[in-house]
Amino acid sequence: DQQVKQNSPSLSVQEGRISILNCDYTNSMFDYFLWYKKYPAEGPTFLISISSIKDKNEDGRFTVFLNKSAKHLSLHIVPSQPGDSAVYFCAASRGNAGGTSYGKLTFGQGTILTVHP
Amino acid sequence: KAGVTQTPRYLIKTRGQQVTLSCSPISGHRSVSWYQQTPGQGLQFLFEYFSETQRNKGNFPGRFSGRQFSNSRSEMNVSTLELGDSALYLCASSIGQGGEKLFFGSGTQLSVL
Repeated sequence: DQQVKQNSPSLSVQEGRISILNCDYTNSMFDYFLWYKKYPAEGPTFLISISSIKDKNEDGRFTVFLNKSAKHLSLHIVPSQPGDSAVYFCAASRGNAGGTSYGKLTFGQGTILTVHP
Repeated sequence: KAGVTQTPRYLIKTRGQQVTLSCSPISGHRSVSWYQQTPGQGLQFLFEYFSETQRNKGNFPGRFSGRQFSNSRSEMNVSTLELGDSALYLCASSIGQGGEKLFFGSGTQLSVL
């Protein structure tokens, strides 16, 4: 039962254009969502997060949008740079709802982003 | 501030052996979580420790165990290694309040031959 899904295994974008990475979830108990960036043989690096009480959060070139009714979130990177090429993971957790999932993030399968110069 | 430190970086073992991996969290962080990453299964949660107690557990067999020390450092042990245990094992730390971002180490790449 995959509770967090990233349906696009890969995405290719031209430098300077927008990258949009998508993520869907099924568990309505999730109330905190995160995006991580990962290079091979390294640990994931935190990018940006959003609480379920918000529908948008921005940090520089990165913006995360949350649509709770559709159980969908997306990460926008504008403008995309070659250094953004990596695997991007969407993750979700239960924070203050009943049954806090301490330390447990449920990850999607990841999307490989390639930004071409 | 130093990040999450995992040792060793690489490990090669044979089937049937056991292995111990080590993790030092970010100073001040009391929660340590462990994850397994494999190409087929992605990142899977193993367990989480807080104040030397296991507080949350994933769906892994009893061969996978862990512990946390009073200084918040944690170790993970896998006994009777199987070929399928070959993976990148990641440790993450956080303050431990729940529903917060985790900071990951670089991982230990375990190969079981």
